[in-house]
Amino acid sequence: DAMVIQNPRYQVTQFGKPVTLSCSQTLNHNVMYWYQQKSSQAPKLLFHYYDKDFNNEADTPDNFQSRRPNTSFCFLDIRSPGLGDAAMYLCATSRDEGGAETQYFGPGTRLLVL
Amino acid sequence: AQTVTQSQPEMSVQEAETVTLSCTYDTSENNYYLFWYKQPPSRQMILVIRQEAYKQQNATENRFSVNFQKAAKSFSLKISDSQLGDTAMYFCAFMRSSNTGKLIFGQGTTLQVKP
Repeated sequence: DAMVIQNPRYQVTQFGKPVTLSCSQTLNHNVMYWYQQKSSQAPKLLFHYYDKDFNNEADTPDNFQSRRPNTSFCFLDIRSPGLGDAAMYLCATSRDEGGAETQYFGPGTRLLVL
Repeated sequence: AQTVTQSQPEMSVQEAETVTLSCTYDTSENNYYLFWYKQPPSRQMILVIRQEAYKQQNATENRFSVNFQKAAKSFSLKISDSQLGDTAMYFCAFMRSSNTGKLIFGQGTTLQVKP
């Protein structure tokens, strides 16, 4: 089945230690998104890629970076995680059809910062 | 700035009954899209239903339907014949037609369907 895959499902890191979260998709969608969802809060868009074009949200901290080496993969890099970065990180994809295309979400990676 | 408000943090309903989840939003846009997403426990978020603001007719998807009141900026979700599998967190979301891709989510409503 075509899907959005996130690895790992759970990630533990230490304060200040760089961490990378992975997302892959078999849907061949050209748009990929990263959301941060803190406990009992709404998901918040961090940034997205339209093909190779990176679009950062204005309030996304510089500590968060992303890479998209090809259509299928997208990575979220947190350069120096702080305790406040503990959250669920959701990857989503969509096919750009000129309208409000449906976003397909992965299961998320839960990040714990010690 | 657009905001989405879900005023019911938690709700419960008996199996086979009907439940309505509330959502209001604030925008100065005339063209936009509204969505309800479902996030089951430990599973990925999936789209339940969507509504284009220019359409007056309320969207329906099987047991799920919306009551879209554009003037009141209200977008409620009705689930008929509730099933145990409907237990999940439900998010209302807004997207500007001029900024496709950016979903603005409400805080979510946790729905528990009881047998």
